[in-house]
Amino acid sequence: KQEVTQIPAALSVPEGENLVLNCSFTDSAIYNLQWFRQDPGKGLTSLLLIQSSQREQTSGRLNASLDKSSGRSTLYIAASQPGDSATYLCAASGGSYIPTFGRGTSLIVHP
Amino acid sequence: GAGVSQSPSNKVTEKGKDVELRCDPISGHTALYWYRQSLGQGLEFLIYFQGNSAPDKSGLPSDRFSAERTGGSVSTLTIQRTQQEDSAVYLCASSPAGGGSGNTIYFGEGSWLTVV
Repeated sequence: KQEVTQIPAALSVPEGENLVLNCSFTDSAIYNLQWFRQDPGKGLTSLLLIQSSQREQTSGRLNASLDKSSGRSTLYIAASQPGDSATYLCAASGGSYIPTFGRGTSLIVHP
Repeated sequence: GAGVSQSPSNKVTEKGKDVELRCDPISGHTALYWYRQSLGQGLEFLIYFQGNSAPDKSGLPSDRFSAERTGGSVSTLTIQRTQQEDSAVYLCASSPAGGGSGNTIYFGEGSWLTVV
């Protein structure tokens, strides 16, 4: 059974810092890994999807990497802004096509 | 609509009553998922529909929970004889095909259920 862990559980940083959020998964036989953002009281918004054959994906100030062999993915946020404050979740999809989610990293970026 | 639509957005019900939660996926999406998110917890998988295949019900926590998807589109999640531990946000998501095929999954805003 796939298990997904996210570290740290919470993070508070001043505006402008570069951040790394970590995601690890136990079963490396995944098809893809996705990163989502969740604002309070809202659903999840997809940020980046990395296929199993890819090493990284970039969108604006966000960069996600994938290392299947070590069961790890990282989400890098450059020059963080207060608007980046949210919970960030990763999800790994394997043979069952059912994404397994981590518990998320709660991020606060203060001015 | 352009996104996944869920209704009701909020529901307060008395313990023991039945509730129905509705999900309208993005048009043309063949894959549909239901997840549950309790306060401070991660997303718990409930059920997965893919096209005309039999749904994967392996995440349903008890036989009080059931779901159907009519015409390959709208889905209804039914909780019978609700209990206080059923209080959570119920999230629906859809995808052009199964998530493992590399397609992004799109979530609705959720249905907030409170059992009193």
